[in-house]
Amino acid sequence: AQKVTQAQTEISVVEKEDVTLDCVYETRDTTYYLFWYKQPPSGELVFLIRRNSFDEQNEISGRYSWNFQKSTSSFNFTITASQVVDSAVYFCALSGANTGNQFYFGTGTSLTVIP
Amino acid sequence: AAGVIQSPRHLIKEKRETATLKCYPIPRHDTVYWYQQGPGQDPQFLISFYEKMQSDKGSIPDRFSAQQFSDYHSELNMSSLELGDSALYFCASSFKSFSGNTIYFGEGSWLTVV
Repeated sequence: AQKVTQAQTEISVVEKEDVTLDCVYETRDTTYYLFWYKQPPSGELVFLIRRNSFDEQNEISGRYSWNFQKSTSSFNFTITASQVVDSAVYFCALSGANTGNQFYFGTGTSLTVIP
Repeated sequence: AAGVIQSPRHLIKEKRETATLKCYPIPRHDTVYWYQQGPGQDPQFLISFYEKMQSDKGSIPDRFSAQQFSDYHSELNMSSLELGDSALYFCASSFKSFSGNTIYFGEGSWLTVV
């Protein structure tokens, strides 16, 4: 079974602070894929990043960085120097190699950046 | 770049009515997915199509049906609407339906059942 847990329901930070969103996943697949999507108040789901289970190299892209650790089944997402426009709900998602391309989403973390 | 196009963006229907949502995938994408997101919920997979054939089925109610046409656009038909069907319906697309392919979502269609 595939399961994604985002324990943080809501987070508030003051602008320019760093913030890390946690994601823990469960899967029996040896090959799987992890994603982060952003859902701003307007409602659309915006793709941020994709990671293969066999690629644990962490990445930094501008103010965003990701920390993938198979040993702890975690795929955390960090925003550096947060901005008001980062306010959104962030979803972590999992797709297993044996479940077609069906995505399993976590319950989301609502991030509010206060000016 | 062209994205996934969904229509209508907003729809209000009464209980027991029928609604149809349309989705036009990103050009050259051959796989379409439908997700339902209830208020304050995470998106739930409904159904997907690859090359006009159903590829995966999730928690789609029997009252709902969908298909993908020869031009790869897809329609989600919902009948005997219930209040609980009020949700944001997303269509997403990808090139091929291989596991792990990134899927790109449209802006969603807000359905309100009154």
